[in-house]
Amino acid sequence: NAGVMQNPRHLVRRRGQEARLRCSPMKGHSHVYWYRQLPEEGLKFMVYLQKENIIDESGMPKERFSAEFPKEGPSILRIQQVVRGDSAAYFCASSPPIVETQYFGPGTRLLVL
Amino acid sequence: GENVEQHPSTLSVQEGDSAVIKCTYSDSASNYFPWYKQELGKRPQLIIDIRSNVGEKKDQRIAVTLNKTAKHFSLHITETQPEDSAVYFCAANGDAGGTSYGKLTFGQGTILTVHP
Repeated sequence: NAGVMQNPRHLVRRRGQEARLRCSPMKGHSHVYWYRQLPEEGLKFMVYLQKENIIDESGMPKERFSAEFPKEGPSILRIQQVVRGDSAAYFCASSPPIVETQYFGPGTRLLVL
Repeated sequence: GENVEQHPSTLSVQEGDSAVIKCTYSDSASNYFPWYKQELGKRPQLIIDIRSNVGEKKDQRIAVTLNKTAKHFSLHITETQPEDSAVYFCAANGDAGGTSYGKLTFGQGTILTVHP
């Protein structure tokens, strides 16, 4: 059973470009969570999604950030018009229905030049 | 919303000693408390978790205790080994049944160094 997968593992963007981060949950998991980790800091919740639904987006910045988890395909975290402050590791986690345990993917390290 | 405080921020022990990391939480509705280990450049890895209907849980050298009344929980690692060196994070979930149920709020992390 493959674990949570994320791609790309590393992403370099220039200021003003768009970043798209992808997350494929573990098989059988229908809940996806995105967290951001700034250098030498803890993990901060961004958004919680189920298939075709955003359940909790209380941690998402109001502008430039969006997330989706379509019926088919991976979950996508999209950052428009990136700024240097967006540089961070973005981790995706998944869990099965009704179970709280979250398993993390390897993360995408975004660097904005 | 939930607030999780974690102490100490750094912990240095000799191989074979015990290590204890403590966390407090603010939301009395939280009922799930996982602990993650993160090595440099790697993903957070779940090492143990506890639910609010249990006061203590043990898995080999690792144990977690929960005091719901005081709203704090602790990680205990016995017979530490150099490979235990990593950053450890505690977390708490939101209120079950509410929209924040799936959200984990993390502590600030503890850098554990085990000296051979």
